[in-house]
Amino acid sequence: KAGVTQTPRYLIKTRGQQVTLSCSPISGHRSVSWYQQTPGQGLQFLFEYFSETQRNKGNFPGRFSGRQFSNSRSEMNVSTLELGDSALYLCASRTGAGPFGGAFFGQGTRLTVV
Amino acid sequence: QKEVEQNSGPLSVPEGAIASLNCTYSDRGSQSFFWYRQYSGKSPELIMFIYSNGDKEDGRFTAQLNKASQYVSLLIRDSQPSDSATYLCAVNIVLMKTSYDKVIFGPGTSLSVIP
Repeated sequence: KAGVTQTPRYLIKTRGQQVTLSCSPISGHRSVSWYQQTPGQGLQFLFEYFSETQRNKGNFPGRFSGRQFSNSRSEMNVSTLELGDSALYLCASRTGAGPFGGAFFGQGTRLTVV
Repeated sequence: QKEVEQNSGPLSVPEGAIASLNCTYSDRGSQSFFWYRQYSGKSPELIMFIYSNGDKEDGRFTAQLNKASQYVSLLIRDSQPSDSATYLCAVNIVLMKTSYDKVIFGPGTSLSVIP
């Protein structure tokens, strides 16, 4: 069974630009969550999508948005990039059918804003 | 109070010793608990999950859950240098407003196993 796939693996962007990250979950998983990881803040929850609907959201500004497609693939968009957005962005998929069953992570996208 | 708390470490143990990693959580309604291992520069990897009070063993790893104390731990027996990593505790919580559940991660404990 293929794992969670994130693209691209690395990105360098300039302040003020926007970026779109992609995540393909494990087959059969309908929930995709996005996390931001930085050395100082650990894993911070951005949002979760389930069956194309955002059902959970963390405390991030509106510049961070996402969506999910009918095939469960998800994209995350960050507009008007700031230096502080430099981080590892991780996507995790799980079945989403209740509280049991762990989340499985992709390899992440390392975003550097210069 | 943060939803999931862990000692940040670093925790250093000699090779062959038992490493004990602790985690507390605030939501009494939490039903599932997970331990992830994250090597430097890599993504977190699920290594254990536990749903019921008591112990759950898998090889050298034992997860312990005490819901009354809102406490979950991970024991690593016969620690190896390859166990050196950051260990993240994760808790599934159900949101009262929406009845949706989500997974919240603790800040992680850095473990160093000294040869």
